[in-house]
Amino acid sequence: EDKVVQSPLSLVVHEGDTVTLNCSYEVTNFRSLLWYKQEKKAPTFLFMLTSSGIEKKSGRLSSILDKKELFSILNITATQTGDSAIYLCAVNYGGATNKLIFGTGTLLAVQP
Amino acid sequence: GAVVSQHPSRVICKSGTSVKIECRSLDFQATTMFWYRQFPKQSLMLMATSNEGSKATYEQGVEKDKFLINHASLTLSTLTVTSAHPEDSSFYICSARYGYTGLNTEAFFGQGTRLTVV
Repeated sequence: EDKVVQSPLSLVVHEGDTVTLNCSYEVTNFRSLLWYKQEKKAPTFLFMLTSSGIEKKSGRLSSILDKKELFSILNITATQTGDSAIYLCAVNYGGATNKLIFGTGTLLAVQP
Repeated sequence: GAVVSQHPSRVICKSGTSVKIECRSLDFQATTMFWYRQFPKQSLMLMATSNEGSKATYEQGVEKDKFLINHASLTLSTLTVTSAHPEDSSFYICSARYGYTGLNTEAFFGQGTRLTVV
């Protein structure tokens, strides 16, 4: 059965801390792994990863994929209260239909 | 990034009535759109894949007669929840990809629709 598992399920940190969010997957016909940030409404796109070992970076956020071990991490450095959100990991699989299977998400709360 | 617009953002309806939710790609053509459902504190569950000009593909366990999907143009897909019941209350989100079917690109999401059935 195809699945995506994220950990931890929730996390509380203080401003300035660095956090690492984990995503592991087991899918057939892997195409890419995507990270999204969801605040009150729809998810907003962060990164798409297709190749192992190549770090993608955007400001204080960065992510990397390990296709051999079937996982990805999302790092956030110098966290701010605005980083509080649910972080979703999704895997694009299954060939031409381009379906995404989502993990359960990690709820991050950054306290002042 | 590409813009996907979903309407309405919030709807309250009486049990037994039908509700239509629209998903539009505003600045690109989407041959494929996806409909998700999200329960509180849970992740997005794919309900169906909407294909322009053909029948939607439903995920296992999703009733096609209850959740009617129409993808009449390259920029519009609609989800109709028929004979709504309180247990259908949920957050429904659509997403779309630009480019031809099979192109490995990120998906862009609509703003979501909060459906409450009373």
